[in-house]
Amino acid sequence: QIVVTQEPSFSVSPGGTVTLTCGLSAGSVSTKHYPNWYQQTPGQAPRTLIYNTNTRSSGVPDRFSGSILGNKAALTITGAQADDESDYHCVLNVGSGIWVFGGGTKLTVL
Amino acid sequence: VQLVESGGGLVQPGGSLRLSCAASGFSLNGYWMSWVRQAPGKGLEWVANIKQDGSEKYYVDSVKGRFTISRDNAKNSLYLQMNSLRAEDTAVYWCARYSQPPYCFDNWGQGTLVTVSS
Repeated sequence: QIVVTQEPSFSVSPGGTVTLTCGLSAGSVSTKHYPNWYQQTPGQAPRTLIYNTNTRSSGVPDRFSGSILGNKAALTITGAQADDESDYHCVLNVGSGIWVFGGGTKLTVL
Repeated sequence: VQLVESGGGLVQPGGSLRLSCAASGFSLNGYWMSWVRQAPGKGLEWVANIKQDGSEKYYVDSVKGRFTISRDNAKNSLYLQMNSLRAEDTAVYWCARYSQPPYCFDNWGQGTLVTVSS
């Protein structure tokens, strides 16, 4: 069974930089997994942030960036703001038309 | 782009439910579509994808043989038929537009809650 791993929680100071990661239980994440990142606040639908590893969705501030770091996909927030406090979900295409989400990272800005 | 889900509710274990998603603001027949769910307090889970003409469908293992994704492009609608429902299927279900390429769930509805309980 393929498992996508994310940090359960992370905290960052206002104005600071944080990098959230998205890994695979077995193997390395590459651009061929087409990593996507979604932001979600409680009770709301997910919002698309990053797709295809590093492409920002329309309207997403450039303080959000995506990359591959080592063997994981990464979401970096530079200059964190209070309203960045949310859950962040990554998802990977693992082949054969199948997508697997990670468990999500709860980001606290304080 | 607007996606509006309906059909959620309370159902007993073993029961069935059919979710619908009404699409507007774009041509449904130009896009793959998806269902994604989130159990209470849990992360997101991709459930199923369907190709523009319905010729390809993919499912997460946990719903194979129980759920069926379908679409009616003429009615601008996406569906999820859920049979043999289990307590672990309790979740908010979203329909999402899936763009391939660039391999992205680029628009989401507001979700509909399915509760499986006796």
